[in-house]
Amino acid sequence: EDKVVQSPLSLVVHEGDTVTLNCSYEVTNFRSLLWYKQEKKAPTFLFMLTSSGIEKKSGRLSSILDKKELFSILNITATQTGDSAVYLCAVLCFLSSGTYKYIFGTGTRLKVLA
Amino acid sequence: GAGVSQSPSNKVTEKGKDVELRCDPISGHTALYWYRQSLGQGLEFLIYFQGNSAPDKSGLPSDRFSAERTGGSVSTLTIQRTQQEDSAVYLCASSLVPPPQWDTQYFGPGTRLTVL
Repeated sequence: EDKVVQSPLSLVVHEGDTVTLNCSYEVTNFRSLLWYKQEKKAPTFLFMLTSSGIEKKSGRLSSILDKKELFSILNITATQTGDSAVYLCAVLCFLSSGTYKYIFGTGTRLKVLA
Repeated sequence: GAGVSQSPSNKVTEKGKDVELRCDPISGHTALYWYRQSLGQGLEFLIYFQGNSAPDKSGLPSDRFSAERTGGSVSTLTIQRTQQEDSAVYLCASSLVPPPQWDTQYFGPGTRLTVL
């Protein structure tokens, strides 16, 4: 069965700390891996990764994919209270029916204390 | 411009009743997605549309769930004979193009469904 596992489930840090969030996956027919930030209800897109070893970077956030070891990490440096959210990892898979589906992890809840 | 909108924002219903959830995607977006998020859980992918067509419906949790999209725009997710385990936040998203071509998914605010 296809699955996406995120760790840790939750994390509490202080402003200025650096955090690393993990996402591992076991899926058939991997196409891409995505990271989202969910603060209230609607997730917002952060990164899409398709190739191993190529870091994507946006401000203090960065992410990289390892397709050999089947995982991705999301790094946040110099954390701020506004980074407090649930971070979701999702994998886009190609199905034998010729269509696609997204498989989400349960998320990592990050709380940044002032 | 307007984002993805969903209605109602909250729905409380009694077990056994049917409910309809509505999603208005961003104008011009050909792909539309439905997800379910139960309390403390990640997103569960239900179905996506390319235009008015849903290529695969196997992600729908049971045959009580159905979804349609008309005019390449509005979509409705219908749950018949609701059960308590259907209680969740139902999220809709849209993107300019469907997978595997990549485009950012824009999510709506969700409909919180509570089945008593």
